[in-house]
Amino acid sequence: QKEVEQDPGPLSVPEGAIVSLNCTYSNSAFQYFMWYRQYSRKGPELLMYTYSSGNKEDGRFTAQVDKSSKYISLFIRDSQPSDSATYLCALWGYQKVTFGTGTKLQVIP
Amino acid sequence: KAGVTQTPRYLIKTRGQQVTLSCSPISGHRSVSWYQQTPGQGLQFLFEYFSETQRNKGNFPGRFSGRQFSNSRSEMNVSTLELGDSALYLCASAAGTDSYEQYFGPGTRLTVT
Repeated sequence: QKEVEQDPGPLSVPEGAIVSLNCTYSNSAFQYFMWYRQYSRKGPELLMYTYSSGNKEDGRFTAQVDKSSKYISLFIRDSQPSDSATYLCALWGYQKVTFGTGTKLQVIP
Repeated sequence: KAGVTQTPRYLIKTRGQQVTLSCSPISGHRSVSWYQQTPGQGLQFLFEYFSETQRNKGNFPGRFSGRQFSNSRSEMNVSTLELGDSALYLCASAAGTDSYEQYFGPGTRLTVT
């Protein structure tokens, strides 16, 4: 079993939709939970990170962590074509980051 | 503040050769991590350096090595290249002792023929 599981998609939604991206993990030692966005042929870009269970909002993006269920989510409101990218969850523990395989998102105008 | 830079951006090598990739972290960042990204395996952790010391290592063969200099710049070396080493190699820098807030460079795309 992988430490971090992420649905690879692809996920295709119409512009303006609410997008939900999810990861599950198995190791309760993970302490920080991050979301990265990666455009084609570019390096990943850090969107946001959280430490505790609960929600953290940044503009159209909301990160949610449920440590009891070992489940993290990223919600994108009012999705735009420019949000089309691969989204990677990343979890930090034991001085290293473990990444999910990424979910490819396409927002159709 | 300038971001993470990686050189070269693209590289084509032949099986059996060796290659050295370079990474300059964000000014003030002391941690540099290296990752290999392939379509099949995703982002896999190679190693992390902090203040010139390797602090953590992923599950890669000894052909993959790295080092960090006193100015925090880092190099990664792959010896005896194999076709399977073709990938995007990414480095990421972080400021503090706990390197969870990582910022990535654009990557070096290595093709082994």
